[in-house]
Amino acid sequence: NAGVTQTPKFRVLKTGQSMTLLCAQDMNHEYMYWYRQDPGMGLRLIHYSVGEGTTAKGEVPDGYNVSRLKKQNFLLGLESAAPSQTSVYFCASREDRSPDTQYFGPGTRLLVL
Amino acid sequence: KNEVEQSPQNLTAQEGEFITINCSYSVGISALHWLQQHPGGGIVSLFMLSSGKKKHGRLIATINIQEKHSSLHITASHPRDSAVYICAAPDSGSARQLTFGSGTQLTVLP
Repeated sequence: NAGVTQTPKFRVLKTGQSMTLLCAQDMNHEYMYWYRQDPGMGLRLIHYSVGEGTTAKGEVPDGYNVSRLKKQNFLLGLESAAPSQTSVYFCASREDRSPDTQYFGPGTRLLVL
Repeated sequence: KNEVEQSPQNLTAQEGEFITINCSYSVGISALHWLQQHPGGGIVSLFMLSSGKKKHGRLIATINIQEKHSSLHITASHPRDSAVYICAAPDSGSARQLTFGSGTQLTVLP
């Protein structure tokens, strides 16, 4: 079991470039989440999915899009990167039942110049 | 949306000391989560508790549902306990999203 994996681990973008972050889980979890973590702030929810083919906005969705075409994968896209999107991005997943324990990926460090 | 506050933001201790990290939240919840973020960045779940106390090795988590307050204690602290400790409370939404505190950076000196 690899758990939750994220690709890539680190990326540098120029303003205006696009990229996709991939999250994959092999635990057959229904729920998946994308967070960003910035210094001095808690993890903030960008988008989430409650199952294959579904997505919903979280607290800070602007500038991001997501897709959940397969149950095991949750993609986060930046169409036109901005310096304000420099952050560490974490993906997490959990089962559709208690406990609500979320399993986190190792994170992707993104720098937008 | 739940508001989650942690204190202190930073904590430095000598090896062997007893550590307490506090967490308060604004909206009544069914359970509270404590997580640990390693210096390398990885995040793992430590506890989920809905009442009373839970213990795992030298870590003890307590919660007072009426006062909307939880504490994480570390007994006989060790340098390997150095990490960021994060509490999180669920929102009432159907996806049971978590609202996270800003974390407590713990450094244990040898």
